Amino acid sequence: EAGVAQSPRYKIIEKRQSVAFWCNPISGHATLYWYQQILGQGPKLLIQFQNNGVVDDSQLPKDRFSAERLKGVDSTLKIQPAKLEDSAVYLCASSLANRGLDTGELFFGEGSRLTVL
Amino acid sequence: DAKTTQPNSMESNEEEPVHLPCNHSTISGTDYIHWYRQLPSQGPEYVIHGLTSNVNNRMASLAIAEDRKSSTLILHRATLRDAAVYYCILRDYTGNMLTFGGGTRLMVKP
Repeated sequence: EAGVAQSPRYKIIEKRQSVAFWCNPISGHATLYWYQQILGQGPKLLIQFQNNGVVDDSQLPKDRFSAERLKGVDSTLKIQPAKLEDSAVYLCASSLANRGLDTGELFFGEGSRLTVL
Repeated sequence: DAKTTQPNSMESNEEEPVHLPCNHSTISGTDYIHWYRQLPSQGPEYVIHGLTSNVNNRMASLAIAEDRKSSTLILHRATLRDAAVYYCILRDYTGNMLTFGGGTRLMVKP
Protein backbone atom coordinates (compact mmCIF):
# COMPACT_ATOMS: atom_id res chain seq x y z
CA GLU A 1 0.00 0.00 0.00
CA ALA A 2 1.36 3.40 -0.98
CA GLY A 3 1.99 5.77 1.90
CA VAL A 4 1.33 9.47 2.29
CA ALA A 5 3.17 11.37 -0.44
CA GLN A 6 4.50 14.87 0.10
CA SER A 7 6.42 17.28 -2.10
CA PRO A 8 8.76 18.99 -2.25
CA ARG A 9 11.01 17.35 0.35
CA TYR A 10 13.10 20.48 0.74
CA LYS A 11 12.51 24.14 -0.01
CA ILE A 12 14.64 27.21 0.66
CA ILE A 13 13.11 30.65 0.19
CA GLU A 14 13.71 34.18 1.35
CA LYS A 15 11.40 35.91 3.79
CA ARG A 16 8.32 37.51 2.24
CA GLN A 17 8.32 34.96 -0.59
CA SER A 18 5.56 32.40 -0.97
CA VAL A 19 5.71 28.61 -0.93
CA ALA A 20 3.29 25.74 -1.45
CA PHE A 21 3.40 22.17 -0.23
CA TRP A 22 1.44 19.28 -1.67
CA CYS A 23 0.13 16.15 0.00
CA ASN A 24 -1.52 13.04 -1.41
CA PRO A 25 -2.99 10.89 1.39
CA ILE A 26 -3.44 7.14 1.44
CA SER A 27 -6.26 6.12 -0.89
CA GLY A 28 -9.62 6.04 0.86
CA HIS A 29 -8.53 8.06 3.90
CA ALA A 30 -11.20 10.60 4.70
CA THR A 31 -9.23 12.67 7.19
CA LEU A 32 -6.16 14.73 6.33
CA TYR A 33 -3.98 16.75 8.68
CA TRP A 34 -1.22 19.30 8.28
CA TYR A 35 1.29 19.61 11.12
CA GLN A 36 4.16 22.05 11.63
CA GLN A 37 7.24 20.71 13.41
CA ILE A 38 9.86 23.20 14.51
CA LEU A 39 13.30 21.75 15.24
CA GLY A 40 13.42 20.14 18.68
CA GLN A 41 9.65 20.27 19.24
CA GLY A 42 6.76 17.91 18.74
CA PRO A 43 4.44 18.35 15.75
CA LYS A 44 1.78 21.06 16.10
CA LEU A 45 -1.53 20.63 14.29
CA LEU A 46 -2.29 23.40 11.80
CA ILE A 47 -5.44 22.15 10.13
CA GLN A 48 -7.60 19.03 9.91
CA PHE A 49 -9.88 18.14 6.99
CA GLN A 50 -12.70 15.63 6.90
CA ASN A 51 -13.15 14.89 3.19
CA ASN A 52 -13.12 18.41 1.70
CA GLY A 53 -14.41 20.22 4.80
CA VAL A 54 -12.34 21.86 7.53
CA VAL A 55 -12.78 20.24 10.97
CA ASP A 56 -10.28 22.34 12.89
CA ASP A 57 -8.06 25.22 11.81
CA SER A 58 -7.82 26.99 15.15
CA GLN A 59 -4.00 26.97 15.14
CA LEU A 60 -3.53 27.98 11.52
CA PRO A 61 -2.09 31.53 11.19
CA LYS A 62 -4.71 32.59 8.71
CA ASP A 63 -3.09 35.90 7.85
CA ARG A 64 -0.34 34.03 6.01
CA PHE A 65 -1.22 30.34 5.86
CA SER A 66 -3.95 28.75 3.76
CA ALA A 67 -4.87 25.17 2.95
CA GLU A 68 -7.34 23.49 0.69
CA ARG A 69 -8.55 20.02 -0.16
CA LEU A 70 -10.91 20.77 -2.99
CA LYS A 71 -11.89 17.28 -4.15
CA GLY A 72 -11.47 15.57 -0.81
CA VAL A 73 -8.29 13.81 -1.88
CA ASP A 74 -5.00 15.67 -2.16
CA SER A 75 -4.27 18.91 -0.36
CA THR A 76 -2.12 22.02 -0.68
CA LEU A 77 -0.70 24.14 2.15
CA LYS A 78 0.45 27.63 1.19
CA ILE A 79 2.45 30.23 3.08
CA GLN A 80 2.38 33.81 1.79
CA PRO A 81 4.39 35.79 2.78
CA ALA A 82 6.85 33.59 4.65
CA LYS A 83 8.58 34.70 7.85
CA LEU A 84 11.81 33.45 9.38
CA GLU A 85 9.86 31.67 12.13
CA ASP A 86 8.06 29.55 9.52
CA SER A 87 11.25 27.49 9.08
CA ALA A 88 10.09 24.01 10.02
CA VAL A 89 9.12 20.61 8.68
CA TYR A 90 5.56 20.49 7.39
CA LEU A 91 4.05 17.06 7.92
CA CYS A 92 0.95 15.72 6.25
CA ALA A 93 -0.94 12.80 7.76
CA SER A 94 -4.09 10.90 6.92
CA SER A 95 -6.41 8.49 8.66
CA LEU A 96 -9.42 6.33 7.91
CA ALA A 97 -11.19 7.27 11.10
CA ASN A 98 -14.31 9.33 11.24
CA ARG A 99 -15.80 10.88 14.34
CA GLY A 100 -16.95 8.30 16.81
CA LEU A 101 -14.48 5.62 15.80
CA ASP A 102 -11.60 4.58 17.99
CA THR A 103 -8.90 3.57 15.58
CA GLY A 104 -7.57 6.96 14.73
CA GLU A 105 -4.19 5.68 13.62
CA LEU A 106 -2.50 8.46 11.69
CA PHE A 107 -0.16 7.72 8.81
CA PHE A 108 2.44 10.44 8.26
CA GLY A 109 4.39 11.43 5.20
CA GLU A 110 8.11 12.14 5.37
CA GLY A 111 7.51 15.87 5.51
CA SER A 112 8.59 18.97 3.61
CA ARG A 113 11.47 20.86 5.18
CA LEU A 114 11.21 24.63 4.75
CA THR A 115 14.09 27.01 5.37
CA VAL A 116 13.30 30.72 5.31
CA LEU A 117 16.36 32.99 4.96
CA ASP B 1 -6.44 18.95 25.28
CA ALA B 2 -5.37 16.78 28.18
CA LYS B 3 -1.64 17.05 28.86
CA THR B 4 1.01 14.37 29.13
CA THR B 5 4.39 14.51 30.87
CA GLN B 6 7.36 12.48 29.68
CA PRO B 7 11.06 12.51 30.51
CA ASN B 8 13.08 14.43 27.94
CA SER B 9 15.48 11.57 27.28
CA MET B 10 16.34 8.01 28.25
CA GLU B 11 19.17 5.62 27.50
CA SER B 12 19.08 1.90 27.01
CA ASN B 13 21.47 -0.89 26.09
CA GLU B 14 20.83 -2.90 22.97
CA GLU B 15 18.79 -6.09 23.49
CA GLU B 16 17.59 -4.98 26.91
CA PRO B 17 13.97 -4.06 27.74
CA VAL B 18 13.02 -0.39 27.81
CA HIS B 19 10.23 1.14 29.88
CA LEU B 20 9.13 4.58 28.71
CA PRO B 21 6.87 6.31 31.26
CA CYS B 22 4.11 8.83 30.66
CA ASN B 23 2.04 10.74 33.21
CA HIS B 24 -1.44 11.93 32.28
CA SER B 25 -3.07 12.85 35.57
CA THR B 26 -5.86 14.91 33.94
CA ILE B 27 -7.00 12.10 31.64
CA SER B 28 -10.76 11.87 31.18
CA GLY B 29 -12.81 8.69 30.95
CA THR B 30 -13.12 8.88 27.16
CA ASP B 31 -9.45 9.56 26.39
CA TYR B 32 -7.44 6.89 24.63
CA ILE B 33 -3.69 6.69 25.25
CA HIS B 34 -1.71 6.66 22.03
CA TRP B 35 2.02 6.24 21.42
CA TYR B 36 3.84 7.33 18.31
CA ARG B 37 7.54 7.39 17.59
CA GLN B 38 9.59 9.49 15.22
CA LEU B 39 12.84 8.25 13.75
CA PRO B 40 15.37 10.84 12.53
CA SER B 41 14.26 12.68 9.39
CA GLN B 42 10.96 10.80 9.21
CA GLY B 43 7.36 11.50 10.07
CA PRO B 44 5.91 10.00 13.26
CA GLU B 45 4.69 6.42 13.10
CA TYR B 46 1.99 4.75 15.15
CA VAL B 47 3.18 2.35 17.84
CA ILE B 48 0.23 1.33 20.01
CA HIS B 49 -2.85 2.62 21.79
CA GLY B 50 -5.18 1.56 24.57
CA LEU B 51 -8.00 2.63 26.85
CA THR B 52 -7.93 0.66 30.11
CA SER B 53 -6.44 -2.76 29.58
CA ASN B 54 -2.84 -3.54 28.79
CA VAL B 55 -2.19 -3.98 25.08
CA ASN B 56 0.38 -5.91 23.09
CA ASN B 57 1.32 -5.78 19.44
CA ARG B 58 4.31 -6.74 17.33
CA MET B 59 6.11 -3.50 18.13
CA ALA B 60 5.56 -3.01 21.84
CA SER B 61 3.40 -3.43 24.91
CA LEU B 62 1.39 -0.75 26.67
CA ALA B 63 0.86 -1.02 30.41
CA ILE B 64 -1.86 1.28 31.76
CA ALA B 65 -2.16 2.05 35.46
CA GLU B 66 -5.38 1.07 37.17
CA ASP B 67 -6.31 4.73 37.76
CA ARG B 68 -5.23 5.53 34.16
CA LYS B 69 -3.16 8.48 35.34
CA SER B 70 0.00 6.99 33.94
CA SER B 71 1.12 4.48 31.37
CA THR B 72 4.32 2.78 30.26
CA LEU B 73 5.43 1.82 26.79
CA ILE B 74 7.53 -1.33 26.89
CA LEU B 75 9.99 -2.30 24.18
CA HIS B 76 10.92 -5.86 25.03
CA ARG B 77 14.35 -5.93 23.37
CA ALA B 78 15.69 -2.59 22.24
CA THR B 79 17.56 -2.46 18.97
CA LEU B 80 19.58 0.36 17.47
CA ARG B 81 16.67 0.99 15.11
CA ASP B 82 14.46 1.81 18.10
CA ALA B 83 16.42 5.01 18.73
CA ALA B 84 13.76 7.67 18.21
CA VAL B 85 11.58 10.25 19.93
CA TYR B 86 8.57 8.58 21.56
CA TYR B 87 5.38 10.59 22.01
CA CYS B 88 2.60 9.77 24.47
CA ILE B 89 -0.67 11.40 23.41
CA LEU B 90 -4.24 11.47 24.68
CA ARG B 91 -7.08 11.49 22.20
CA ASP B 92 -10.79 11.73 22.85
CA TYR B 93 -12.78 9.03 21.03
CA THR B 94 -14.96 11.67 19.39
CA GLY B 95 -12.12 13.43 17.60
CA ASN B 96 -9.24 12.59 15.38
CA MET B 97 -6.85 15.37 16.30
CA LEU B 98 -3.67 14.37 18.05
CA THR B 99 -1.72 16.94 20.06
CA PHE B 100 1.94 16.06 20.50
CA GLY B 101 4.09 17.14 23.42
CA GLY B 102 7.87 17.14 23.54
CA GLY B 103 8.29 13.37 23.73
CA THR B 104 11.14 11.23 25.10
CA ARG B 105 14.30 10.85 23.09
CA LEU B 106 15.44 7.23 23.42
CA MET B 107 19.10 6.51 22.84
CA VAL B 108 20.16 2.89 22.40
CA LYS B 109 23.76 1.93 23.07
CA PRO B 110 25.35 -1.05 21.36
